[in-house]
Amino acid sequence: DVKVTQSSRYLVKRTGEKVFLECVQDMDHENMFWYRQDPGLGLRLIYFSYDVKMKEKGDIPEGYSVSREKKERFSLILESASTNQTSMYLCASSSLTLGGYTFGSGTRLTVV
Amino acid sequence: AQSVTQLDSQVPVFEEAPVELRCNYSSSVSVYLFWYVQYPNQGLQLLLKYLSGSTLVKGINGFEAEFNKSQTSFHLRKPSVHISDTAEYFCAVILNTGGFKTIFGAGTRLFVKA
Repeated sequence: DVKVTQSSRYLVKRTGEKVFLECVQDMDHENMFWYRQDPGLGLRLIYFSYDVKMKEKGDIPEGYSVSREKKERFSLILESASTNQTSMYLCASSSLTLGGYTFGSGTRLTVV
Repeated sequence: AQSVTQLDSQVPVFEEAPVELRCNYSSSVSVYLFWYVQYPNQGLQLLLKYLSGSTLVKGINGFEAEFNKSQTSFHLRKPSVHISDTAEYFCAVILNTGGFKTIFGAGTRLFVKA
């Protein structure tokens, strides 16, 4: 069964900490995405990548960065966590065909 | 600007009743259309998609959706819902501009009552 795996289901971090969210896919997909999900706002795109070492800003990149050193792994980094970054973070991947996304189970991050 | 509007934030319905979840989009270019479902504490799963061809598409779990280009709509329907269909449903589009970015609606929470 194909999978997108997010390393943590729940995280609690302190304001100002550097936070790493990891995502790994086993489908050899070219495209990977990070979204945050907030009630009433749906999913908002933070960053995406179409290839190794390639990254593009989404709609809300401020306060975040990403890293894609290997095809299967796409990391989201919160440089200095703030309380307004408390959210559900969803990683997704897709192939070069329009098959839709495969999502991970999400990481619920709380910044205190 | 491109956008996806899900017209109902919550839809309560009794078990075995039909349901329609409404979705409209706004785009200056052609689009590809998707519906995803999210069960509690899980990521999203693809329900169905429209890329081209027949405007009526069938998906998993007995759901179907119809693309209406003139009304820029892609409503999701099921003739008889089950308790297990309780979830949040997201309509989404990919713009036909060569990329793979998906724009999501805000979601509709379907609550099926016994």
